[in-house]
Amino acid sequence: NAGVTQTPKFRILKIGQSMTLQCTQDMNHNYMYWYRQDPGMGLKLIYYSVGAGITDKGEVPNGYNVSRSTTEDFPLRLELAAPSQTSVYFCASSYLNPVRDSRGLSGANVLTFGAGSRLTVL
Amino acid sequence: EDKVVQSPLSLVVHEGDTVTLNCSYEVTNFRSLLWYKQEKKAPTFLFMLTSSGIEKKSGRLSSILDKKELFSILNITATQTGDSAVYLCGSGGGADGLTFGKGTHLIIQP
Repeated sequence: NAGVTQTPKFRILKIGQSMTLQCTQDMNHNYMYWYRQDPGMGLKLIYYSVGAGITDKGEVPNGYNVSRSTTEDFPLRLELAAPSQTSVYFCASSYLNPVRDSRGLSGANVLTFGAGSRLTVL
Repeated sequence: EDKVVQSPLSLVVHEGDTVTLNCSYEVTNFRSLLWYKQEKKAPTFLFMLTSSGIEKKSGRLSSILDKKELFSILNITATQTGDSAVYLCGSGGGADGLTFGKGTHLIIQP
């Protein structure tokens, strides 16, 4: 059981280049997330997906795109790399319990993170 | 806007000391509060808290949630150098995942 696998682990890009960060999970989780982590800033949500074919913007989506064609894969694309996108990117997945409580809320299980992808844009 | 604030942001103690890390939260869709430990790579799960007043324990680590005052603490007793890490607090747990604080960078000196 590999969990959440991210590739590549490291990448250096020139300004204006494009690339895709790959993320795959083998836990049959329905929810997947992309976060970025800048030094001293915690984790910021870029995009998330509640299932195949459904994606939504998080807190910092500008400059990124995602797709979710299968339950397992959730790639993150940078179209025109900028120095501000230099960061460590973490993919995560979780199983969201679809049973709703009396408040109409359903609960998410623990997020499992990949090992991260360190991206530098020069 | 959802907000999670951790304090202190950094802490240096000696081996054997006890530390308390704080996390306050304001989230619109609260389902749970989670603590993670991050040692230079992926955050690893420590605790998930959903109910007030129930302490979760794992060895020398423990955590508790106060849903009335909207905060949680993470205690580490008899600290060891292996406890050195960034400790992240995240809250939410709805469809849009967790909102994280900036983390507490804990350094344990021998």
